[in-house]
Amino acid sequence: EAQVTQNPRYLITVTGKKLTVTCSQNMNHEYMSWYRQDPGLGLRQIYYSMNVEVTDKGDVPEGYKVSRKEKRNFPLILESPSPNQTSLYFCASSPGTSSYGYTFGSGTRLTVV
Amino acid sequence: QKEVEQNSGPLSVPEGAIASLNCTYSDRVSQSFFWYRQYSGKSPELIMSIYSNGDKEDGRFTAQLNKASQYVSLLIRDSQPSDSATYLCAVYANDYKLSFGAGTTVTVRA
Repeated sequence: EAQVTQNPRYLITVTGKKLTVTCSQNMNHEYMSWYRQDPGLGLRQIYYSMNVEVTDKGDVPEGYKVSRKEKRNFPLILESPSPNQTSLYFCASSPGTSSYGYTFGSGTRLTVV
Repeated sequence: QKEVEQNSGPLSVPEGAIASLNCTYSDRVSQSFFWYRQYSGKSPELIMSIYSNGDKEDGRFTAQLNKASQYVSLLIRDSQPSDSATYLCAVYANDYKLSFGAGTTVTVRA
């Protein structure tokens, strides 16, 4: 089944404790992206990647890191999480070019206390 | 100005009626437009894409695009309770950045 897989689905952590949210897609997609979703603010892009080793900042990159060492994987790293990073996070992938929309993973609900 | 703006809603319609959702975007060079549906607690699901001015129909859904007015809309005909969800308008600002509106929540009353 074609899908984007994120883990974990739920995560509660403490301020300052480094964490990684994994994302993997099995569709051989070129593009991958991370979004966060907050009430009233909608989906905001954190980082995106156009291909292996090619990444760029989205609208809200502060406090996040990403890497794209393999085409299928695009982990999101929070080096020192803070409470304002409590949110619902989605990883997404697309075949490439603006002709295609993104396919989303199931989401990771992160709470930072 | 936000890149993509939607009616904040919520929008309540009776079963069998037409639900009309609106979206405006700020970047005149945008070429690709999408509508996503998101059920509560779930991830967004792509339901429509449109690239040319005019209407595009897919089952009970019709997307309408007017690039001169920078306006995209989604019509849901014969609305069903299963259509109750939040609908997200998305626009490519460039080849890589897909920007979303805040969404319009639709409730279909049985």
